[in-house]
Amino acid sequence: DTAVSQTPKYLVTQMGNDKSIKCEQNLGHDTMYWYKQDSKKFLKIMFSYNNKELIINETVPNRFSPKSPDKAHLNLHINSLELGDSAVYFCASSQDRGGGTDTQYFGPGTRLTVL
Amino acid sequence: SQQGEEDPQALSIQEGENATMNCSYKTSINNLQWYRQNSGRGLVHLILIRSNEREKHSGRLRVTLDTSKKSSSLLITASRAADTASYFCATDTGRRALTFGSGTRLQVQP
Repeated sequence: DTAVSQTPKYLVTQMGNDKSIKCEQNLGHDTMYWYKQDSKKFLKIMFSYNNKELIINETVPNRFSPKSPDKAHLNLHINSLELGDSAVYFCASSQDRGGGTDTQYFGPGTRLTVL
Repeated sequence: SQQGEEDPQALSIQEGENATMNCSYKTSINNLQWYRQNSGRGLVHLILIRSNEREKHSGRLRVTLDTSKKSSSLLITASRAADTASYFCATDTGRRALTFGSGTRLQVQP
């Protein structure tokens, strides 16, 4: 009965490869997010989707492409991986009310290491 | 610098003591939230305080918000070793996502 799940938990790959991270939430939330946490623990928003529609696309390289097949899933595909992409990626979801951002529920994170 | 900045960056206390963490932000907010992150885990929501609220309690947690100073504090009373974690403040500025600070690492010594 995990609320927000991500797979895989760990991902080790070579530079130049393409990889995907999957995220699913069973909370019935309308909004899902991808965050990147760097080595200094700073957490930064990458994308947010509301009912499968892209709401926020922060200045993320277009090598990163989110895909939301339905409102319970938000996957992240990364092309041509670079060393600087190494980080922990968190998926989150929330049930926004009145345009505000309410409590967010986070997945366990995916630690990506690019060699 | 970031919208939310926590102070101190690291805090080490003895079990039973109180821990206070501060957060400052730059722009007006709808609400401010505090999250906890245990090592190697995802973030867990602790408490949300709206811009028209000044203080909120939840168990051993007490959060204050001063919108005139653009600051918030999180107080954990009677700390336990299990409270050891990183604590983040996050602000909702109406852009449909939270902006997180860099966190305070709390170490509670048994």
